[in-house]
Amino acid sequence: EADIYQTPRYLVIGTGKKITLECSQTMGHDKMYWYQQDPGMELHLIHYSYGVNSTEKGDLSSESTVSRIRTEHFPLTLESARPSHTSQYLCASSKSGTGISPLHFGNGTRLTVT
Amino acid sequence: AQSVTQLGSHVSVSEGALVLLRCNYSSSVPPYLFWYVQYPNQGLQLLLKYTTGATLVKGINGFEAEFKKSETSFHLTKPSAHMSDAAEYFCAVSEYGGTSYGKLTFGQGTILTVHP
Repeated sequence: EADIYQTPRYLVIGTGKKITLECSQTMGHDKMYWYQQDPGMELHLIHYSYGVNSTEKGDLSSESTVSRIRTEHFPLTLESARPSHTSQYLCASSKSGTGISPLHFGNGTRLTVT
Repeated sequence: AQSVTQLGSHVSVSEGALVLLRCNYSSSVPPYLFWYVQYPNQGLQLLLKYTTGATLVKGINGFEAEFKKSETSFHLTKPSAHMSDAAEYFCAVSEYGGTSYGKLTFGQGTILTVHP
């Protein structure tokens, strides 16, 4: 049973619309991440956060933005969607501490921009 | 910098046969290594991880992987494939320290098909 929730699961939207992909976790994890996944390709980190009011861009350049006002919530926003944004977006979280903790993933949001 | 290469984007085996999914990594510091599995329309689920200590790591669903530093490899195996193993598998590396600390870099994935 998932402790990290993403909504919506599927979204089809027209070019130019503003969208927000929601991600929430109930595990109290400090670290949260957004990955972009295209078929046959590796997952690319586009944003991450190590705590409230902390956000950083990932390895893959993205026109999206994120915010982290609450520990459990890490939404991703696209101000003006384009067909090139069509992809699957995966949210993940991990706990802080010594060493590196595994990531826990949500079920993803599959976005299609027409 | 860290990177992961998974050899073979598709692997097909018969039910009951050995499963071998290959992963090679590159890391400038001692790596942490992970295998994740993704079933259709779901997120990724952790299969197993290597941090330090024993180089043979056992995970869920009968999978195991062996860390071989000299070969920079972390191949995933299962002695006997089951139909329910059909999924996409991702190898990932994270560095303990350095500028990439805590961030995972994933391979491109291997789709495992299991035939009856």
